[in-house]
Amino acid sequence: GAVVSQHPSRVICKSGTSVKIECRSLDFQATTMFWYRQFPKQSLMLMATSNEGSKATYEQGVEKDKFLINHASLTLSTLTVTSAHPEDSSFYICSASRQNSNQPQHFGDGTRLSIL
Amino acid sequence: DQQVKQNSPSLSVQEGRISILNCDYTNSMFDYFLWYKKYPAEGPTFLISISSIKDKNEDGRFTVFLNKSAKHLSLHIVPSQPGDSAVYFCAASGNNDMRFGAGTRLTVKP
Repeated sequence: GAVVSQHPSRVICKSGTSVKIECRSLDFQATTMFWYRQFPKQSLMLMATSNEGSKATYEQGVEKDKFLINHASLTLSTLTVTSAHPEDSSFYICSASRQNSNQPQHFGDGTRLSIL
Repeated sequence: DQQVKQNSPSLSVQEGRISILNCDYTNSMFDYFLWYKKYPAEGPTFLISISSIKDKNEDGRFTVFLNKSAKHLSLHIVPSQPGDSAVYFCAASGNNDMRFGAGTRLTVKP
């Protein structure tokens, strides 16, 4: 089946550091990639949707200057958490889809971000 | 604004019995529904889906039922196995939007 690789799986860093998370679709071209954040015991919260070659669409309440998303190719999207603070600590998950929201998404294994 | 709700945070079932996971949605624009399964420290895995033109879709031990008038869907797992223990998310999509429920933790006891 389709595989989405997300790296790194865990990050622990100091407050003020910028952290980049990569999401790669390994065996298909991902027209659309999604970035989610999951708080403990809560649902996946969609942060932004990115289409290859265009600017990401951010959900309401998500700071685009804080969470920089780049979808430079059909197989790679990156999320950079800029100047991270403890409140940014969370589980971030990416997913990739071949076409649109009616296609099943294939998820990465997530990144546990801990800001000290 | 929770457009997709899974009102049961947890469910415990005996091995061999049926597991029924429920999901309600509010947005009538949703026309495609999916169930995902998630193990700890892993991303969700697609399980089964259903289009709004159907009311039932079956795949092995997994069956999804859709009641459009009630804006309700359910996932039936029968017979349940210990390996089915995980968190199950329902998702609803339509009009280029997808929303997830909060998840239901299923525990299947041997």
